[in-house]
Amino acid sequence: NAGVTQTPKFRILKIGQSMTLQCAQDMNHNYMYWYRQDPGMGLKLIYYSVGAGITDKGEVPNGYNVSRSTTEYFPLRLELAAPSQTSVYFCASSLDGRTEAFFGQGTRLTVV
Amino acid sequence: DAKTTQPNSMESNEEEPVHLPCNHSTISGTDYIHWYRQLPSQGPEYVIHGLTSNVNNRMASLAIAEDRKSSTLILHRATLRDAAVYYCILRADSGYSTLTFGKGTMLLVSP
Repeated sequence: NAGVTQTPKFRILKIGQSMTLQCAQDMNHNYMYWYRQDPGMGLKLIYYSVGAGITDKGEVPNGYNVSRSTTEYFPLRLELAAPSQTSVYFCASSLDGRTEAFFGQGTRLTVV
Repeated sequence: DAKTTQPNSMESNEEEPVHLPCNHSTISGTDYIHWYRQLPSQGPEYVIHGLTSNVNNRMASLAIAEDRKSSTLILHRATLRDAAVYYCILRADSGYSTLTFGKGTMLLVSP
């Protein structure tokens, strides 16, 4: 098993550009999450999904969109990039709301 | 999610035991206590979790106070590779539970 795979690992965007951060898991987990981590801070939940077709907002959803059409994939969309979205983004998955979560290696995004 | 309180940082020497405390005075009866750690430039990784009884696994032990208002993560012999930020998280036993991360405790390990 590859676990949770995130692509790309690094990206530089210009203000106003759009991009999709990809996340895939091969563990047949129902739950998937997107977090962002600013320097020196803990992770903040952006969106999460408890199954295909079901998504919900986390603590900091503004400026982001998600979709979950299959169990395996949970892409995060940034429509109009802003400098405040410069951060490291982590995708995670878990079997359910009680079990351990597995995290990807992160995507480091810089908006200039 | 109920809040947790952890020291900002702790120091240890290599091969010594480390006790990382966590206070969670507002814990509810169905909250599980989870610990994750984040090594430099990596995503968080699961360490251990428990509800009421003490728990052991290959990475660490979790000691939970009888009133469940505090817990301690125990690393039996710290290594340089254990230097990381350790997060204590309460997770509700419900169908829509997520993980809420605080700032955690940065553990520094000296040779």
